Amino acid sequence: KQEVTQIPAALSVPEGENLVLNCSFTDSAIYNLQWFRQDPGKGLTSLLLIQSSQREQTSGRLNASLDKSSGRSTLYIAASQPGDSATYLCAVKENTDKLIFGTGTRLQVFP
Amino acid sequence: SAVISQKPSRDICQRGTSLTIQCQVDSQVTMMFWYRQQPGQSLTLIATANQGSEATYESGFVIDKFPISRPNLTFSTLTVSNMSPEDSSIYLCSVLRGKGYNEQFFGPGTRLTVL
Repeated sequence: KQEVTQIPAALSVPEGENLVLNCSFTDSAIYNLQWFRQDPGKGLTSLLLIQSSQREQTSGRLNASLDKSSGRSTLYIAASQPGDSATYLCAVKENTDKLIFGTGTRLQVFP
Repeated sequence: SAVISQKPSRDICQRGTSLTIQCQVDSQVTMMFWYRQQPGQSLTLIATANQGSEATYESGFVIDKFPISRPNLTFSTLTVSNMSPEDSSIYLCSVLRGKGYNEQFFGPGTRLTVL
């Protein structure tokens, strides 16, 4: 059974720092991996999608990498801003269309 | 991306009643998904709703408790039946879009509190 874990569970940093959020999964037979952002009490915003054949994806200050063989993905946030404060979720998709979510990293960036 | 709306955005309900949540998508999609996020937890898939066929439920979720309708390719409803406080959660609908229909997009969610 696929399990997805995110470390750290919470992170508080000053504005301007570069951050790395970690996601690990137990079964490397994934179809893709997706990173989401969730603001308190809100839905999910898709940030980056990495196909199983890809190693990384970039969007603005965000860069996500995927090492399928070791069951790991990282989300790198450059020059963090208070507006980046949110919970970040990673999710893997196996052969079905079901997403299996991690437990999330709650990020706070203070001015 | 996809524009997905949900109604209601939030509700407070009494134990034993039922609530129907609506999900509307801005264009036709084959599959729609319903997820639940209990307080402080991550998301769990309740069921997959295909137009023209019965929904497929995940382990631990049953049709009598969470009946789903999918009358067309842009709309779905999820009913939470005979509610108890344990049903207090955010309920989110989701669709697959993008190149190859690989990327999953979510609605804004319905925050349900059961007293």
